[in-house]
Amino acid sequence: KNQVEQSPQSLIILEGKNCTLQCNYTVSPFSNLRWYKQDTGRGPVSLTIMTFSENTKSNGRYTATLDADTKQSSLHITASQLSDSASYICVVSLYGNKLVFGAGTILRVKS
Amino acid sequence: DAGITQSPRHKVTETGTPVTLRCHQTENHRYMYWYRQDPGHGLRLIHYSYGVKDTDKGEVSDGYSVSRSKTEDFLLTLESATSSQTSVYFCAISDGPQSTEAFFGQGTRLTVV
Repeated sequence: KNQVEQSPQSLIILEGKNCTLQCNYTVSPFSNLRWYKQDTGRGPVSLTIMTFSENTKSNGRYTATLDADTKQSSLHITASQLSDSASYICVVSLYGNKLVFGAGTILRVKS
Repeated sequence: DAGITQSPRHKVTETGTPVTLRCHQTENHRYMYWYRQDPGHGLRLIHYSYGVKDTDKGEVSDGYSVSRSKTEDFLLTLESATSSQTSVYFCAISDGPQSTEAFFGQGTRLTVV
């Protein structure tokens, strides 16, 4: 069964600290892997999209990495801000027009 | 939110009643999607549309129907609402298949009592 597993389920960090969110997937083959940010009460917003041949992709303080051999991706957030508090969702896009969503990691940044 | 409007934003309805949720886009994107989001689960695809009057089922389509009579509008109907359909519903749009970038609406919180 195709699955996208994210860890941790939730995370609390202090403002200014860095953190890394993990995504392990079993789906294969895939066309791209995405990370979305979802603020409370809002729809998901795309942060990064990586094809299977890309190893890293940055968007400001967000850096996503992809290891297609181990089927792992991570999202690193640098110098966290209160506005980073949100749910972060890993999504794998399969060939054949299907998206498989992870359940998300809830990040809370405290002052 | 990429020109996507969902209505209503919140709704409480009784078991057994029909409910229609509306998604309206101003981006002229060909593809439109309806997802539901439940705690502990990733977003799950209900139905999608790849053009006017062209729709197909997703992984959790039972109990739902859709219609798309215009490019800009995609309607999701719960034919006879059940408590298991209490959820947050998201509409998304893209200008290509799901492999391309998708943009999401703000969601509709539906409670079936």
